[in-house]
Amino acid sequence: GENVEQHPSTLSVQEGDSAVIKCTYSDSASNYFPWYKQELGKGPQLIIDIRSNVGEKKDQRIAVTLNKTAKHFSLHITETQPEDSAVYFCAARGPGANNLFFGTGTRLTVIP
Amino acid sequence: EPEVTQTPSHQVTQMGQEVILRCVPISNHLYFYWYRQILGQKVEFLVSFYNNEISEKSEIFDDQFSVERPDGSNFTLKIRSTKLEDSAMYFCASSYRKRTRGGSDTQYFGPGTRLTVL
Repeated sequence: GENVEQHPSTLSVQEGDSAVIKCTYSDSASNYFPWYKQELGKGPQLIIDIRSNVGEKKDQRIAVTLNKTAKHFSLHITETQPEDSAVYFCAARGPGANNLFFGTGTRLTVIP
Repeated sequence: EPEVTQTPSHQVTQMGQEVILRCVPISNHLYFYWYRQILGQKVEFLVSFYNNEISEKSEIFDDQFSVERPDGSNFTLKIRSTKLEDSAMYFCASSYRKRTRGGSDTQYFGPGTRLTVL
C-alpha cells in the first residue's frame, strides 16, 4: 500500500518567516494530496489540497507544490503568524480508493 | 459552518469491555469514515461506509470492529472486546461524494474521541 513520509517532525520559526514541510509518497498512482492542520483538542482541518494534474496551488499565505516524478509534495507557509502554530499532516490517496494515507505530522511553532 | 461532531470526547474502559463511539457526520454527506491515531503515530484508516455498507476497510479493522448507521444522522464504531492496544484517538470523517464521481470529495474530520483501555 501507499506509504507517506513527512519531515521535519518539529519546526520552529520566527513570526514573519516562512515554513516549509515536505512529504514523500511511494505509490506513483496516487493522485490526491491534501494537507490538514490540527490544533490542540480539535480534529484535522483541511487547509489546502492538490491533485496530480497540477504542479502548484496557492491560497493566500499557503501554497503546495507537487513533483510527481520525484513523488514528493511540500507545504509552504509565508509570513507565518502565531496562530499558524499547530500540527500539520500531509496525506495521499491511493489509486481506486477513498481512504487517506497520512504522514506522521509536523509540529509547527511560530515564535512571536 | 457544518461540522462533524463526535461523542464522547474521552472514553475510559476496562480491557475486554465493549465500547461504542458515536459520530454525527455533516448532514448532506454520503460517505463516512473512521480513522485512528495511536499516540505519537500516524493517523490510520480503519473503514469507509456508503449506502449502509462497508465500502473499504483496512487490516486493522478486524472482527472486533463494526460500524453502523442506526438512523439518519449517527454513525457509530463498535469495538466488541477492547484490548490495551486499542487505546488511541478515533476520528470520524465524512465527505459528500466519492472521488470518482466528481464534485467535492473532501473529507471533513470530527474532533476525535480519545479511547483509553485500562
